[in-house]
Amino acid sequence: DAMVIQNPRYQVTQFGKPVTLSCSQTLNHNVMYWYQQKSSQAPKLLFHYYDKDFNNEADTPDNFQSRRPNTSFCFLDIRSPGLGDAAMYLCATSREGTGTETQYFGPGTRLLVL
Amino acid sequence: AQSVAQPEDQVNVAEGNPLTVKCTYSVSGNPYLFWYVQYPNRGLQFLLKYITGDNLVKGSYGFEAEFNKSQTSFHLKKPSALVSDSALYFCAVRDRFNAGNNRKLIWGLGTSLAVNP
Repeated sequence: DAMVIQNPRYQVTQFGKPVTLSCSQTLNHNVMYWYQQKSSQAPKLLFHYYDKDFNNEADTPDNFQSRRPNTSFCFLDIRSPGLGDAAMYLCATSREGTGTETQYFGPGTRLLVL
Repeated sequence: AQSVAQPEDQVNVAEGNPLTVKCTYSVSGNPYLFWYVQYPNRGLQFLLKYITGDNLVKGSYGFEAEFNKSQTSFHLKKPSALVSDSALYFCAVRDRFNAGNNRKLIWGLGTSLAVNP
């Protein structure tokens, strides 16, 4: 089945130690999104890629970076995690231009910062 | 400012009873409207969407939603609730135009649904 895959499902890191979360998709969607979600709040968009075009949200801290080496994969890099970065990180994809534009989410990676 | 309101933090219903989770929006134009469900420690699952056409949209797991343009509402409904429907429900809207921030979903704060046996 076509899907959005996130690895790992749980990640524990130390304060200040860089961490990378990964997302892959078999849907062949042209847009990939990264969200941060804290304790049952609404997800907060960090940034998204439309093909190779990177779109950052104005309030996303510089500590958060992203890479999209190809259509299928997208990475979220947290350069120096702080305690406040502990959250669920959600990856989503969509195919723009088809009239559907539905975002499909992966299962998420829960990040714990010690 | 564009916004989505889910006026109830929590909805409690008895199993077998009909349920409604409310959503109203304040967005210019004719947006796309979505409902997502989230089970504990899981990602968001797409339930249904309104694009155009019939105001009653049917989705996954027996859910449906009614679009009301004059009231700018998109309430989620199910005729007979199950205990397994207990989860967090999010309403979201986005602009129809495909450019930059127009792709961004505007989210409600979520409604926790508890279905009691």
